[in-house]
Amino acid sequence: AIQLTQSPSSLSASVGDRVTIICRASQGISGALAWYQQKPGKAPKLLIYGASSLESGVPSRFSGSGSETDFTLTISSLQPEDFATYYCQQFNNYPGLTFGGGTKVEIK
Amino acid sequence: QVQVVESGGGVVQPGRSLRLSCAASGFTFSSNAMHWVRQAPGKGLEWVAVISNDGNNKYYADSVKGRFTISRDNSKKTLYLQMNSLRREDTAVYYCARTHSSGNWYFDLWGRGTLVTVSS
Repeated sequence: AIQLTQSPSSLSASVGDRVTIICRASQGISGALAWYQQKPGKAPKLLIYGASSLESGVPSRFSGSGSETDFTLTISSLQPEDFATYYCQQFNNYPGLTFGGGTKVEIK
Repeated sequence: QVQVVESGGGVVQPGRSLRLSCAASGFTFSSNAMHWVRQAPGKGLEWVAVISNDGNNKYYADSVKGRFTISRDNSKKTLYLQMNSLRREDTAVYYCARTHSSGNWYFDLWGRGTLVTVSS
């Protein structure tokens, strides 16, 4: 099964900072990658799909890039409501759909 | 209102069974493949199973294959997960999730989840 490795596992940042989260796949997955945001006690929310397409209703400060094995999620200017845990997810190798281990974004 | 609502969770002993349900509303349920995704306490997300829109195709994670069965009733707009031979490591919040409008296996609609605790 394809493994997804996220880095860092956690980070501290301030409001207004530019934040980048990396997701690396153990083998090429083309562009079949999504990013989710999850707040404590809540369900995940889709932010980015197809590696770089912004889901409807998601603020434009979120962006995604990458292909094959290396992907990034960027928050251009961190807002108070963005403090959460972020997960990447691939489906290229279905039915072995997998998630990354998560990156917790905390307030500095 | 477009939503999915899970139910059926609870405390169950190891080796016993439990059936989860997910009621959909506000969209054409029969048009979407549907998934179950779980999250153990304090841990990350784990995909569990998927069923095609017509119910004819089903796939499972290796961790639940042979023990869990996904099904759906499009007339009732309801998704199910029959969980047999439960283990302590099955303890998690179970989410029902809809396949993205693109048809690709991303999840664009999630329920609030239902907690399953496997404990003696």
